[in-house]
Amino acid sequence: EIVLTQSPATLSLSPGERATLSCRASQSISSYLAWYQQKPGQAPRLIIYDASKRATGIPGRFSGSGSGTDFTLTISSLEPEDFAVYYCQQRSNWPPLFGGGTKVEIK
Amino acid sequence: EVQLVESGGGLVQPGGSLRLSCSASGFTFSTYAMHWVRQAPGKGLEYISAISYNGGSTYHADSVKGRFTISRDNSKNTLYLQMNSLRAEDTAVFYCVKGEYQMLIVEEFHYWGQGTLVTVSS
Repeated sequence: EIVLTQSPATLSLSPGERATLSCRASQSISSYLAWYQQKPGQAPRLIIYDASKRATGIPGRFSGSGSGTDFTLTISSLEPEDFAVYYCQQRSNWPPLFGGGTKVEIK
Repeated sequence: EVQLVESGGGLVQPGGSLRLSCSASGFTFSTYAMHWVRQAPGKGLEYISAISYNGGSTYHADSVKGRFTISRDNSKNTLYLQMNSLRAEDTAVFYCVKGEYQMLIVEEFHYWGQGTLVTVSS
């Protein structure tokens, strides 16, 4: 099974700042990586798939990059509604496992 | 509009059983694989079960294999998860998730239900 390691566990930032989240795979997964946002009490929401494609309705401040084993989710300027937990997930090999998550909290 | 509504969660004693349901609407349920993902309180997402469009193929994670069974009734547009021999560590919110393919293809997940909470405690 492919293991995804997310870092940091927690990111403390202020609104307007840039957020950079990392996801590292235990083996190459090409560009088959997705990112989800989850707010308290809500289901996860897909924000990025295939490493860099924004899902429907996702604002342009969210961007994804990377291939192989190292991936990045960038939020260019944090809005109040962006403070949440973010998970990565691979779709290269069965089963489609998730990373442990990064919490983006208000500093 | 795709809608997935889970039900059947609640409090159950260790060793007990529970059946979760997921009622689907807004798409042709019988032509898509479906999945279950769970999340223990304060923890991350755990992929646990999947079923192909016609029920011919299923998957269960090792953590639930032999205890949980995924099934579907395409005539009722409903997905099920039968959970037996429940343990305290099964306490979680269970999410119903729509696939984008007929068969069990590793994929990202565009549509999620709101989840149903299962609490295993005496």
